[in-house]
Amino acid sequence: QKEVEQNSGPLSVPEGAIASLNCTYSDRGSQSFFWYRQYSGKSPELIMSIYSNGDKEDGRFTAQLNKASQYVSLLIRDSQPSDSATYLCAVERQAGTALIFGKGTTLSVSS
Amino acid sequence: DAGVTQSPTHLIKTRGQQVTLRCSPKSGHDTVSWYQQALGQGPQFIFQYYEEEERQRGNFPDRFSGHQFPNYSSELNVNALLLGDSALYLCASSLGQGFEDTGELFFGEGSRLTVL
Repeated sequence: QKEVEQNSGPLSVPEGAIASLNCTYSDRGSQSFFWYRQYSGKSPELIMSIYSNGDKEDGRFTAQLNKASQYVSLLIRDSQPSDSATYLCAVERQAGTALIFGKGTTLSVSS
Repeated sequence: DAGVTQSPTHLIKTRGQQVTLRCSPKSGHDTVSWYQQALGQGPQFIFQYYEEEERQRGNFPDRFSGHQFPNYSSELNVNALLLGDSALYLCASSLGQGFEDTGELFFGEGSRLTVL
């Protein structure tokens, strides 16, 4: 059974701090990795995608991938209260755009 | 440009009944996937349709079935509803069959099903 594991949180950080979200996955053959943000009562929204080992930056967000360690992370710099949401890590299930999601980490940014 | 649209947004059923949920993909997308998200959990993959055929299926019983129409829209049917089927059902659309070539998965706002 392919799995994606995340700490459920809540992760609480003050405004302006760096939030670090972590995810591990079990299928060593996985090639595509995603971070989604989900506000309460809303649908998931893509934050970052990453396919190669290393870092990928987009604005305040940086995704990090280490396939050897089967580890994906998301860093949010200068955290804002509007970043308060559940962050879902997702891994490609097999070739064909289906995803396996973790349970999500709840982030709370206090002003 | 319309995104992924789902209907109905909310519905209440009783145990044993049947339900049909509908999804129209984002313009230009040809692949539709369905996910079930229980409260406090991540979305779980139900199945995916491409070229009107079921291409992948998650670990869901045969009570869950689907269909894709020539215009790429899709339906999810659940028979013999159980209390545990209460969840947010998400439809997602994409183009083709590979992430690196075709980009992200777009989600609709979901259909919230309550089974009493």
